[in-house]
Amino acid sequence: EADIYQTPRYLVIGTGKKITLECSQTMGHDKMYWYQQDPGMELHLIHYSYGVNSTEKGDLSSESTVSRIRTEHFPLTLESARPSHTSQYLCASSPFRTPNTEAFFGQGTRLTVV
Amino acid sequence: TQLLEQSPQFLSIQEGENLTVYCNSSSVFSSLQWYRQEPGEGPVLLVTVVTGGEVKKLKRLTFQFGDARKDSSLHITAAQPGDTGLYLCAGGDYKLSFGAGTTVTVRA
Repeated sequence: EADIYQTPRYLVIGTGKKITLECSQTMGHDKMYWYQQDPGMELHLIHYSYGVNSTEKGDLSSESTVSRIRTEHFPLTLESARPSHTSQYLCASSPFRTPNTEAFFGQGTRLTVV
Repeated sequence: TQLLEQSPQFLSIQEGENLTVYCNSSSVFSSLQWYRQEPGEGPVLLVTVVTGGEVKKLKRLTFQFGDARKDSSLHITAAQPGDTGLYLCAGGDYKLSFGAGTTVTVRA
């Protein structure tokens, strides 16, 4: 079973608030990802990281930012939440080897901005 | 960006029937993965296919990687209600991108 954890699991917050979604993995994986997904819809890659001090923007433009100060930790921050940010955010990690780049996912954070 | 297209978008079948889900791209992939996702959860890896023409079996699920490594298929034999979920294909060496998924509903 994958050891990747996201907190909180659910978050309801008011417009304009700053939020940080936490993601931690204990597998020592170098690669980490953040995806945004609306219910039953596709996963959109918004950020990824190859390792410590590495962050890249994904395929979908996002107002969120990420940091990777430690291998195991990849938090996502929204400076000023808006209703359009309401979605599910999924964090994943994978070992840095190709071609088998399978990802292990956390359970997700369902964010609702009111 | 390497795009993955999945078809059909939705599939509803009766228990005991067979189904096939497709994943296509114009790009060559060194490997493709298939995931299943249930509501409110993160996707869970089912299989990785690496070699062109490869066929992998996981109980009643059969996965095939195209000879040119641009497409893949997932076939479920004698589907059961427990097979219900969102099936996603994914690929990419440096950033993992997903197809839009196929929502499979198996009716009892």
